[in-house]
Amino acid sequence: QKEVEQDPGPLSVPEGAIVSLNCTYSNSAFQYFMWYRQYSRKGPELLMYTYSSGNKEDGRFTAQVDKSSKYISLFIRDSQPSDSATYLCAMSAEGSARQLTFGSGTQLTVLP
Amino acid sequence: DAGVIQSPRHEVTEMGQEVTLRCKPISGHDYLFWYRQTMMRGLELLIYFNNNVPIDDSGMPEDRFSAKMPNASFSTLKIQPSEPRDSAVYFCASSSPGTGRFEQYFGPGTRLTVT
Repeated sequence: QKEVEQDPGPLSVPEGAIVSLNCTYSNSAFQYFMWYRQYSRKGPELLMYTYSSGNKEDGRFTAQVDKSSKYISLFIRDSQPSDSATYLCAMSAEGSARQLTFGSGTQLTVLP
Repeated sequence: DAGVIQSPRHEVTEMGQEVTLRCKPISGHDYLFWYRQTMMRGLELLIYFNNNVPIDDSGMPEDRFSAKMPNASFSTLKIQPSEPRDSAVYFCASSSPGTGRFEQYFGPGTRLTVT
């Protein structure tokens, strides 16, 4: 079993829809949680960063962490065609020397 | 800030040839990571450096792969000899010190094709 599981999709939604992307993990030591967005033929770019449990909002994006369930989510409101990309979750533990464990990525297409 | 810089952006080479990929991290970042991304295996960590010193190279697939970081602003990943199964996108990423934040900033990648 992988340390981080992420549904690869592909996920296709109409413009304006609310998108929910999720990851589950098995390592209870993970405390730092990130979401990266990767456009085709580009490098991953950091989208959201959260520490421990709770919610964080940034514009149309909301990241949620539920450490008790070992489950993290990224919500995109009012999705736009420009949100079409692969979304990767990543996480790290204290004392891990900054190593990130990545999910396999979910490919999202927002249809105009 | 210019971000992480990688060169070349594309490399096509024949099996058996030596390939050298280059990376310039963000100024002031003290961690540097090399990743490989394929459809089958996703993003794999190959090796990472802290203050120019290799810390963990357990992800390097074989002795054909080597990486160096001669100074804080430059790193190379070398494959010698290259094989078709090395075809992938190779990313370099860097991370900033001391803030307690663990996010990494990625370069645009080098798309390697070995024929």
